[in-house]
Amino acid sequence: AQSVTQPDIHITVSEGASLELRCNYSYGATPYLFWYVQSPGQGLQLLLKYFSGDTLVQGIKGFEAEFKRSQSSFNLRKPSVHWSDAAEYFCAVPSNSGNTPLVFGKGTRLSVIA
Amino acid sequence: DAGVIQSPRHEVTEMGQEVTLRCKPISGHDYLFWYRQTMMRGLELLIYFNNNVPIDDSGMPEDRFSAKMPNASFSTLKIQPSEPRDSAVYFCASSFSGEGWLGNEQFFGPGTRLTVL
Repeated sequence: AQSVTQPDIHITVSEGASLELRCNYSYGATPYLFWYVQSPGQGLQLLLKYFSGDTLVQGIKGFEAEFKRSQSSFNLRKPSVHWSDAAEYFCAVPSNSGNTPLVFGKGTRLSVIA
Repeated sequence: DAGVIQSPRHEVTEMGQEVTLRCKPISGHDYLFWYRQTMMRGLELLIYFNNNVPIDDSGMPEDRFSAKMPNASFSTLKIQPSEPRDSAVYFCASSFSGEGWLGNEQFFGPGTRLTVL
């Protein structure tokens, strides 16, 4: 079965600093990859997704992610973090080929300090 | 569009009671998912439906859990009897497969926070 690993459970960054959240995937074919964000007390919202083509994907709220096949990674980045970015971030991959749902990583909680 | 609607937002009940969680997916979406989120286990898929038909319920933890989707605009997740270990946030999500399954975003509801005392 396909899976994703988010090695960092909790990250703290200063407001204005750059951010990189790690995601490693296990997938048998060319992967479809997703990043979701969950603000406190809210459901998950899609930040960006990768299907094919350009390996650098732009998303909402100034986030981007880069697909690196050689490293089986899809890391999420933001050049300058805002206090409102404090949330839980989830990487996801389809559980299998065909019409099957997503498998989510355990999530990385981002704290932003002044 | 109102998005995915879940009710209630919060539920507190006593062990042994029946709990029913409700979900209204986004109109036109043909997939519906039920997830459970806990600190220990993260986000777990419980069951999902396609065109109102359950496709995979292997994530349902026990026979105490059941889910139905009587029509395209309504689904329920029922726990009977409830136990303290069922305390979690339960999310409903929906998606549309019209452009090809894997390309489509799952839209999540705000969740129901269940506490079983």
